[in-house]
This record gives sequence, structure tokens and C-alpha cells, in this order.
Amino acid sequence: DAGVTQSPTHLIKTRGQHVTLRCSPISGHKSVSWYQQVLGQGPQFIFQYYEKEERGRGNFPDRFSARQFPNYSSELNVNALLLGDSALYLCASSLAYTDTQYFGPGTRLTVL
Amino acid sequence: AQSVTQLDSQVPVFEEAPVELRCNYSSSVSVYLFWYVQYPNQGLQLLLKYLSGSTLVKGINGFEAEFNKSQTSFHLRKPSVHISDTAEYFCAVRYNNNDMRFGAGTRLTVKP
Repeated sequence: DAGVTQSPTHLIKTRGQHVTLRCSPISGHKSVSWYQQVLGQGPQFIFQYYEKEERGRGNFPDRFSARQFPNYSSELNVNALLLGDSALYLCASSLAYTDTQYFGPGTRLTVL
Repeated sequence: AQSVTQLDSQVPVFEEAPVELRCNYSSSVSVYLFWYVQYPNQGLQLLLKYLSGSTLVKGINGFEAEFNKSQTSFHLRKPSVHISDTAEYFCAVRYNNNDMRFGAGTRLTVKP
């Protein structure tokens, strides 16, 4: 079975722009979570979705938003990009929202 | 506040030597515990998890971890490391409110 997939792999944006990151969960998984990993740090929780509803939100500004589609794939949107948004964005999927999370390879976002 | 502390940011060790990576977490009613490994430019791979039952958990690649409730610790061990074990290791804790917290990571470097 295919694992969690994310696109794009790398992305370069300038300050003030908008970005959309995409994630496809493992087949059969209904929950998707998003994390931000700044260089040299552990992942920080951004959002969790289960059955297309938001089930959790980390301490991130309203510039960050997400949604989950009927096929359980998900998008993470970030508006008005700042230099500090440069990071590896990780998506994780799980069967249900309390189950073990399996991570994708991440999207490396660079904001110039 | 819920937090996860990895006590060593870097652990250098020679090949075939034993290793222990330490992890402590802030106490809560109940927790689920995880260790993940991250190779350069990749996502996180699940090494092992503790959900309930035996406090000694065995994972992939010869790693094991022991849950100590009284000391709120979940240290990762391997009796004999290989060069290929060189990577970043993250301890993660899911608290009973479904909040998933990661430690800052421990860089394990295995030298020949």
C-alpha cells in the first residue's frame, strides 16, 4: 500500500504570497494532521481533521487554514507568508483521530 | 503545561556500542508514547509505540523503549548500533485531550 503522499516536494515563495500544500492519506485512513517543523526543532501541531471536520488546532495564527475533502485528502493553506513560515510541513494520517499517526515525506517551504 | 523533553540534543556513539536516548514528559492522566526516526530530508518513521500493557516495548530495527510512569519517562535503547542508525530521533506524547507533542529531537551519530 502506498504511504502518505504530499505535494509539492519543495516550494519557494516570497513574503506576502499565499501557498497551498496537499496531502493524500494512506488508503482507509480518515484522519489527517498537519505539522510544522522548523529546522533543528521537533514538529509542531497545526491542525487535525477527521471525517472532514476539524478536531484539533494548535497555536498558529489565523493565516493558517486547512480542510479535508470527501476522499479524505487535505489541503493546508497559508496566507500572507512571513519569513518565519519557512519550514518542513508534514502531513500524517491515521485510521481515526486517536490512532497512531503515519507521516508523509513533507513539503519544504522556503519564504524569501 | 504539556511538554516533552529530550534530555540530549546530540549523542555520538561508536558502532556496535549500546545507546540510550532519553525522553521525559509532563505528567497527565493518561498518555500514549511514541518514538519516531527522521533521516535527512525525509518524513518521520514510526519506531515503536506504547499504548497500554507491558511497559517494555519492542520496535523496528532492534530498538526498544521502557515506559516508566512514576518517572514520566520513555527512554529508547538499542544494545548495538549500526552506522545506518545515524539519524534524528523524536519522542512524542499524545495526551488525553488528543494533543500530540514532540520533543526537540536527539541527533544520534554512529561513528565507525
